[in-house]
Amino acid sequence: GQNIDQPTEMTATEGAIVQINCTYQTSGFNGLFWYQQHAGEAPTFLSYNVLDGLEEKGRFSSFLSRSKGYSYLLLKELQMKDSASYLCAVIDSNYQLIWGAGTKLIIKP
Amino acid sequence: GAVVSQHPSRVICKSGTSVKIECRSLDFQATTMFWYRQFPKKSLMLMATSNEGSKATYEQGVEKDKFLINHASLTLSTLTVTSAHPEDSSFYICSARRQGSPDSYEQYFGPGTRLTVT
Repeated sequence: GQNIDQPTEMTATEGAIVQINCTYQTSGFNGLFWYQQHAGEAPTFLSYNVLDGLEEKGRFSSFLSRSKGYSYLLLKELQMKDSASYLCAVIDSNYQLIWGAGTKLIIKP
Repeated sequence: GAVVSQHPSRVICKSGTSVKIECRSLDFQATTMFWYRQFPKKSLMLMATSNEGSKATYEQGVEKDKFLINHASLTLSTLTVTSAHPEDSSFYICSARRQGSPDSYEQYFGPGTRLTVT
């Protein structure tokens, strides 16, 4: 079967750095997304990785290792508004988007 | 660009009635639109994929006679929950894939519709 694993919940301190991991086992791979979702709202796009390596975009960076079936989202200089769920999603060989359950990130002052 | 709207944002209806939710791509044409359902503290669950001008493809376990999907134009898809029951109460989210970008699988999400069936 297809599976995407993320930690259920993480806690970090304002101003710090946090890394949210995502491992996947899917039938084929055509890219990986990270989305941010605030409670009661729809997901918003953060990043897309299809090649190995690190993609940096401001305070957020995303890393991919296809051989290890692994990705992480790195958030720097955490702000209170970063408190949200972070969803990892993989495009499989049928070009279907397979969603992880999401990681709830709690930021404390 | 790439804005998707949903209407209504919240709806409360009585058991047995039908509810229609609209999903519009405001500044782009969407060949494909997706309908998701999300339960509290759970991930998105894909219900169906709709392509403009053709029948929707439903995921296993989703009743197509209960969740009617119409994708009549490149900017509008509708989801109708027929004979709604309290267990249909959920957060329904649509997303759209932009036309003419076959290498981009990014989905642009609408703001979601909170359905409560009493």
